[in-house]
Amino acid sequence: KAGVTQTPRYLIKTRGQQVTLSCSPISGHRSVSWYQQTPGQGLQFLFEYFSETQRNKGNFPGRFSGRQFSNSRSEMNVSTLELGDSALYLCASSPTAGTMEVTFGSGTRLTVV
Amino acid sequence: AQSVTQPDIHITVSEGASLELRCNYSYGATPYLFWYVQSPGQGLQLLLKYFSGDTLVQGIKGFEAEFKRSQSSFNLRKPSVHWSDAAEYFCAVGAKAAGNKLTFGGGTRVLVKP
Repeated sequence: KAGVTQTPRYLIKTRGQQVTLSCSPISGHRSVSWYQQTPGQGLQFLFEYFSETQRNKGNFPGRFSGRQFSNSRSEMNVSTLELGDSALYLCASSPTAGTMEVTFGSGTRLTVV
Repeated sequence: AQSVTQPDIHITVSEGASLELRCNYSYGATPYLFWYVQSPGQGLQLLLKYFSGDTLVQGIKGFEAEFKRSQSSFNLRKPSVHWSDAAEYFCAVGAKAAGNKLTFGGGTRVLVKP
């Protein structure tokens, strides 16, 4: 059974650009959550999607957005990139919402220069 | 709102020695508690979880954790560490009302000396 797949693994972008990260959950999983991991702030929750609806949102500016498709795959987008957006972005999936038992992907390492 | 504190940023332990990582949480209701491990450049792997019941929880890779409500703690232990246990360990708390949102502690980096 394939795990949570995040693409790309590494990304370098220039300040002011926008970026889209992709996450394919484990087959059959319908909930997808996103986290940002930085040395300074640690692991912070971005948002959670279930059945194409955002169920929960962390304390991030509106430049961070996401969506989920009917096949449960999810994308997150960051517009007008700032140097501080450099981070490891982790996606996690779960069979349903509210179980809290999630499986993480290996992440996308975003570097903003 | 829930919060998690891991007081130790770094711990160095000799191979074969015991290991204990501390975790303190703050949450008004019954917490759902987790320990994850992260190897460099990788995602998080679940070691164990506590939802209810027996306060001593067994996990993978020989790890166990004990939930102590009176101390708001959920410390992780391993009787004998292996060099492959060198990694960063994260404690997390979840709440039913918050869906699948997890709140993480700052992490403890474990170094294993030969």
